Amino acid sequence: DIQLTQSPSSLSASVGDRVTITCRASQGISNSLSWIQQKPGKAPKSLMYAASNLQSGVPSKFSGSGSGTDFTLTISSLQPEDFATYYCLQYKSYPRTFGQGTKLEIK
Amino acid sequence: EVQLVESGGGLVQPGGSLRLSCAASGFTFSSYWMDWVRQAPGKGLEWVANINQDGSEKYYVDSVKGRFTISRDNAKNSLYLQMNSLRAEDTAVYYCTRQLDSWGQGTLVTVSS
Repeated sequence: DIQLTQSPSSLSASVGDRVTITCRASQGISNSLSWIQQKPGKAPKSLMYAASNLQSGVPSKFSGSGSGTDFTLTISSLQPEDFATYYCLQYKSYPRTFGQGTKLEIK
Repeated sequence: EVQLVESGGGLVQPGGSLRLSCAASGFTFSSYWMDWVRQAPGKGLEWVANINQDGSEKYYVDSVKGRFTISRDNAKNSLYLQMNSLRAEDTAVYYCTRQLDSWGQGTLVTVSS
């Protein structure tokens, strides 16, 4: 199975900050990576697919990059609604696997 | 607008069975792979299974192989997950997803005596 390791596991930031979350795969996955946002008590929401493509309706403050084993999600100008848990997901091979999550909290 | 509505969750004893359903609307259901993902209380996301457009290909995470069966009915725009021999560790919110890009609200399955 492909393991995905996110860092950091938690992150405190202020409104207006720019933050970056990384996701490292245990083997190359090309660009077969998605980023998912989940707010407490809510269903997950897909933000990005193919490492750097925004899902429809997702604001451009979210950006992604990477290929192979190393990926990043950057969120610019944090707003209160951005504080959530973020997961990476690989769909290169089975079983699909998720990172452990990064909890983004308000400082 | 894509809508996915899960149902069928509830409390079941260890060793019991449940069948989850997912009603899909707002898109051409028969054109998409569909997945089930679960989340144990306070834990992260875990992919469970998926199925291709005509139901001829199915994949499962090892922990549910031989116990869970994914299926679909394209005439009814519905996805299913038959869960047998349930264990305490299957307790989770189960999400129906369209190719992991659109998600339902989830249905809670609790396995407990």
